[in-house]
Order: sequence, then structure tokens, then C-alpha cells
Amino acid sequence: DIQMTQSPSSLSASVGGRATITCRASQSIGGRLNWYQQKPGKAPNLLIYGASSLQDGVPSRFSGSGFNSDFTLTITTLQPEDSATYYCQQSHSTPLTFGGGTKVEIK
Amino acid sequence: QVQLQESGPGLVKPSQTLSLTCTVSGGSISRSIYYWSWIRQPAGKGLEWIGRISTTGSTNYNPSLKSRVTISVDTSRNQFSLMVDSVTAADTAVYYCARVLEATVMDWGQGTLVTVSS
Repeated sequence: DIQMTQSPSSLSASVGGRATITCRASQSIGGRLNWYQQKPGKAPNLLIYGASSLQDGVPSRFSGSGFNSDFTLTITTLQPEDSATYYCQQSHSTPLTFGGGTKVEIK
Repeated sequence: QVQLQESGPGLVKPSQTLSLTCTVSGGSISRSIYYWSWIRQPAGKGLEWIGRISTTGSTNYNPSLKSRVTISVDTSRNQFSLMVDSVTAADTAVYYCARVLEATVMDWGQGTLVTVSS
């Protein structure tokens, strides 16, 4: 199985600020990396697919980058509604695996 | 816009079989480009992919659960189902059904909590 490691596990940032989340795969996955946002009591929601492609309807303050084994999700100009847990997921091979999640708190 | 809705018992006794159904609306489950998956999330923890089925019935399961899991599809009812045998407390989780395109989860059900307890 491909292990996905996210860091940090949590972060706190101010409205208008910037948040950066990293995700590392245990082996090379090319660009086969997705990011999801999950709010409490809700199902996750796709933000970024293919490492850097923004899903329809997702605000442009979300961006993704990276290749092979190191990936980053960046949220600029943070808004209160960005408070959530963010997960990466590799789509390279089954079993599909997720990172442990990063909880983002907006101050 | 496709919608997915999980249904099934919220409480299952240890050693019994967990059974859930996902009903798909707003689109045909027979579209061959999609896979249909189950994913679970224990309270306060991360996401675990359980497995997937294609419209032709081809399945892939997570090796961590493979011996206990069966996913099936009923195209006539636009539904797919999950069975997990010999459940324990460790199987207590919110279970999500999902529509998957090229290993990317495009759409999720709202999730259903299944508790394993006597």
C-alpha cells in the first residue's frame, strides 16, 4: 500500500492569511494526488485533482502543486469558511489511501 | 447532479454482518466510466477506502478488509451494496458511498453511522 503522510496535523491562521499543508507519498505517484475538504458532520468535498487542477466551483484561493512524492495544498486569503479538515489522497493505485488529515483553524 | 444516499441498520451486533445500500439518483449507475466505492471514517479519525465495483461487477477491495467485505451492484435498481462480515467494535464508523472517476472521489453520500455493539 502507498502510505500518505500529511503535515502539520493542525494549524491556526488568521483571516486573510495563508495556510500551507504538505503531503508526502511513500513512493512516487506522479501527479496522481487529490485534496479534499471536510467540515464537521459532513462528507468530504473534492478541491483539487491531479495535484494541481481546481475542481469546478472551488474558489481560486485554493491551489495545489507537487509531483512524484511531495505535494502541497495552499490556501491564500483565508476566509472563516475555510475552517475544516483537509485530506490528501493518492489515486495512483489501489488500495486508494488518504493522509491523516490537517485541521485548519481560522483565528 | 448525481446524489447518493446510504441506507441500512445503524446498530449491528458483534460477529454479525453489516449491510448497507447506496441508492444513486440523478444519473445512471450503468455509466461505465465510473466506479462505485465505499469509504469509512471512525469518529475523530481519518478516511479508509473499503473497496469499489465497476458497472460490470469487477471489484477491488482493501487488503486490510478483503476477507470480510463484499460489494455488489444492482443496475436495475440503480443501487450498490456493502457487506462486512464478522464485525467488531473496530468496524464502528461513518460509512460513505461514493462515485469515483479515475480513482478520484467525485461525489459522496451524506454518510451513515454504523455502531457495532451488543
